[in-house]
Amino acid sequence: AQTVTQSQPEMSVQEAETVTLSCTYDTSESDYYLFWYKQPPSRQMILVIRQEAYKQQNATENRFSVNFQKAAKSFSLKISDSQLGDAAMYFCAYRRGDDMRFGAGTRLTVKP
Amino acid sequence: DTEVTQTPKHLVMGMTNKKSLKCEQHMGHRAMYWYKQKAKKPPELMFVYSYEKLSINESVPSRFSPECPNSSLLNLHLHALQPEDSALYLCASSQDNSGSAKNIQYFGAGTRLSVL
Repeated sequence: AQTVTQSQPEMSVQEAETVTLSCTYDTSESDYYLFWYKQPPSRQMILVIRQEAYKQQNATENRFSVNFQKAAKSFSLKISDSQLGDAAMYFCAYRRGDDMRFGAGTRLTVKP
Repeated sequence: DTEVTQTPKHLVMGMTNKKSLKCEQHMGHRAMYWYKQKAKKPPELMFVYSYEKLSINESVPSRFSPECPNSSLLNLHLHALQPEDSALYLCASSQDNSGSAKNIQYFGAGTRLSVL
């Protein structure tokens, strides 16, 4: 089974600063997808960004970008110009077909 | 519209009760999912429906019974639950369950279930 590891249970960042959340995964497949989801206290899982494994170019969505290192099986999320609304639990996820696996999550706190 | 609606938002039930969770989407998605999320843990996949047929059942106890009456609706019937079944139950949908790049899962806000 594929495993997803987030080694940072909690992270903190000052408003307007940049923070990077780490994620590593284990797979023997070459074709898969990686995601970062955000879960605020409202509980709804919100897609932040996604990366297709066959694409070498790192995905970017406004203030959010990833550093995808396929050989190292690493998929980190960088949040630039952090805002108070970014405070949430962040889950890294691996998907192949309809089977999606999540990491344990990183709780991000944003300090004003 | 990327909305997945789950009802009820909260549910308290006794171990002898029978209740149902409901999930609805009107995005034309043909794959729907149930996840269980314990406090401070990631979501764990329970069931996957593809084109109204059960395609994955992750060894979930029979006291959880999924149902997909049509492509927009997914139910989770609960019977004789245990206190350890208390959790947040999340529903998600995606265009289909293929390996396509379009297969993004959209989540509902969940049902917070407490079993007494």
